[in-house]
Amino acid sequence: NAGVTQTPKFRILKIGQSMTLQCTQDMNHNYMYWYRQDPGMGLKLIYYSVGAGITDKGEVPNGYNVSRSTTEDFPLRLELAAPSQTSVYFCASSSFAKNTEAFFGQGTRLTVV
Amino acid sequence: LAKTTQPISMDSYEGQEVNITCSHNNIATNDYITWYQQFPSQGPRFIIQGYKTKVTNEVASLFIPADRKSSTLSLPRVSLSDTAVYYCLVGEEGYNKLIFGAGTRLAVHP
Repeated sequence: NAGVTQTPKFRILKIGQSMTLQCTQDMNHNYMYWYRQDPGMGLKLIYYSVGAGITDKGEVPNGYNVSRSTTEDFPLRLELAAPSQTSVYFCASSSFAKNTEAFFGQGTRLTVV
Repeated sequence: LAKTTQPISMDSYEGQEVNITCSHNNIATNDYITWYQQFPSQGPRFIIQGYKTKVTNEVASLFIPADRKSSTLSLPRVSLSDTAVYYCLVGEEGYNKLIFGAGTRLAVHP
């Protein structure tokens, strides 16, 4: 199994550009999450989804949008990129049950210049 | 919603046992306690989860006292490769929203 796959691994954007970070999981998990992690800091939840068609804001949603049209995919959209969005982005997924683990992707390192 | 408090950083030496304690005074009756490990440039990895008393797996042990207001992650005989950030998560935010705190940065020295 591939688990959680994120693409791209690295990206440089210019201020004002837009892009979509892709996240796919093959574990049939209902829950999916997007985080950002700034250097030396903890993870901040951007958006999460509890199933196809259902998304909700996390701690730092401003400047981002998400959609969940299928169980497998949870893309994160950046509109009008700003230097403050320079960060490492992680996608994760977990199943319904309480005592299960979350699986993380390898991350996307984004630089906005 | 339960909040957690952990030490910001810890230092240890190879071969020692490391205990990282997490405080969660407002833990609810049906909350579980989950620990994750994150290496540099990687996503977090689930280590262990428990509800009460003691849980042990091939990586670590988790000790939870009767009042469940704290928990201790125990790493036996650490090596340099255990250098990482360790996160304690509790409650609804621990396994639905998965809200991470700052974690404990463990440095293992030769």
